Amino acid sequence: DIQMTQSPPSLSASVGDRVTITCRASQSISRYLNWYQQKIGKAPKVLIYGASSLQGGVPSRFSGSGSGTDFTLTISGLQPEDFATYYCQQSFSTPWTFGQGTKVEIE
Amino acid sequence: EVQLVESGGGLVQPGGSLRLSCAASGFIVSGTYMSWVRQAPGKGLEVVSVFYAGTSTWYADSVKGRFTISRHNSKNTLYLQMNSLRPDDSAVYYCTRDHSDGWFDPWGQGTLVTVSS
Repeated sequence: DIQMTQSPPSLSASVGDRVTITCRASQSISRYLNWYQQKIGKAPKVLIYGASSLQGGVPSRFSGSGSGTDFTLTISGLQPEDFATYYCQQSFSTPWTFGQGTKVEIE
Repeated sequence: EVQLVESGGGLVQPGGSLRLSCAASGFIVSGTYMSWVRQAPGKGLEVVSVFYAGTSTWYADSVKGRFTISRHNSKNTLYLQMNSLRPDDSAVYYCTRDHSDGWFDPWGQGTLVTVSS
């Protein structure tokens, strides 16, 4: 199985900050990398698919980049509603696997 | 509106069984890949079972031989039959549609399964 490693596991940031979360795959996954946001008590919600495609309805302050083994999720101008846990997920080869999550907390 | 609604979770003793249901609206379950993903308390996300668009299925090693995924086409509903439950099966179970490129959307609201004596 492909292992996905996110960093950092958690971070503290302020409203308005630019936040970057990294996801690394244990082998090349081309651009088959997806990002999710999960708020407490809620189901995950897809933000980015195919490494950089923004899901409909997701604010443009979210962006994704990368290919191969290294990927980044960037939030440009953190908003109060963005405090949540973010997961990456590879869909290059089955079984699809997730990173362990990055919790974004209020500083 | 595309929507998934799970039901069937609850408290069960070790060795017991539960059947989870996932009713879909706004799309046809039999025409797409559907997955069950679970999340243990305070933990990350794990795909436990997939029903591909034909009849083939996939199971995580941790549930193989104990869980069975199925669907009822006329009810547009996905199921997960869970037998021989263990305490480490305790989690919120989500059903979700697996798009052709392997990303999940939508997700149901989740149903909590607690395995404890």
